[in-house]
Amino acid sequence: QVQLQESGPGLVKPSETLSLSCTVSGGSISGYYWSWIRQPPGKGLEWIGYIYYSGSTNYNPSLKSRVTISVDTSKNQFSLKVTSVTAADTAVYYCARLQVAGIGNWFDPWGQGILVTVSS
Amino acid sequence: SYELAQPHSVSVSPGQTASITCSGDKLGDKYASWYQQKPGQPPVLVIYQDIKRPSGIPERISGSNSGNTATLTISGTQAMDEADYYCQAWDSDTAVFGGGTKLTVL
Repeated sequence: QVQLQESGPGLVKPSETLSLSCTVSGGSISGYYWSWIRQPPGKGLEWIGYIYYSGSTNYNPSLKSRVTISVDTSKNQFSLKVTSVTAADTAVYYCARLQVAGIGNWFDPWGQGILVTVSS
Repeated sequence: SYELAQPHSVSVSPGQTASITCSGDKLGDKYASWYQQKPGQPPVLVIYQDIKRPSGIPERISGSNSGNTATLTISGTQAMDEADYYCQAWDSDTAVFGGGTKLTVL
């Protein structure tokens, strides 16, 4: 069964770029949509965006100007970059597979998540 | 932007039925998904396309969606059901999550 694992720095300085990767194991990244979702400590879930294995993307309008999601099919990985981070970007970042069925798409499975703290 | 509203908390006695609502404008015209999240763990899909259960999710967990409200129902609630629950829907190709509901099994 497919498993996802996030990786990257746990601490990022304000104004710098947050960079994370998600490695997919137990299955191919090809043929599917993949997504990033974050959760500030003690708060709810916020969708960041998704990418198709071919490279097409869609982002949350509230984050679109600062977010880039990319895919590397040779490594079975996809990645997230968030520029100009502030303390408000401190969160647990999850990667997940987006199951697409026309309408009513859903996220399953999810990675374990990685806490990223923005602090000097 | 589209919003989904959930009650902050719901309490239920063991063995009773818990209902968690999710409200949004014409939500019944969209599909709702539900996720269960226990402390320190990632969310787990429990309902998709309003009423469907992934494999491994017990039959006592069910969903419905009509009008402006989607509802997650847990029958015969057990201590293991104590968790945060999030609804989610799509609007204009943007995924929206509700604020989450903490289910307490007293």
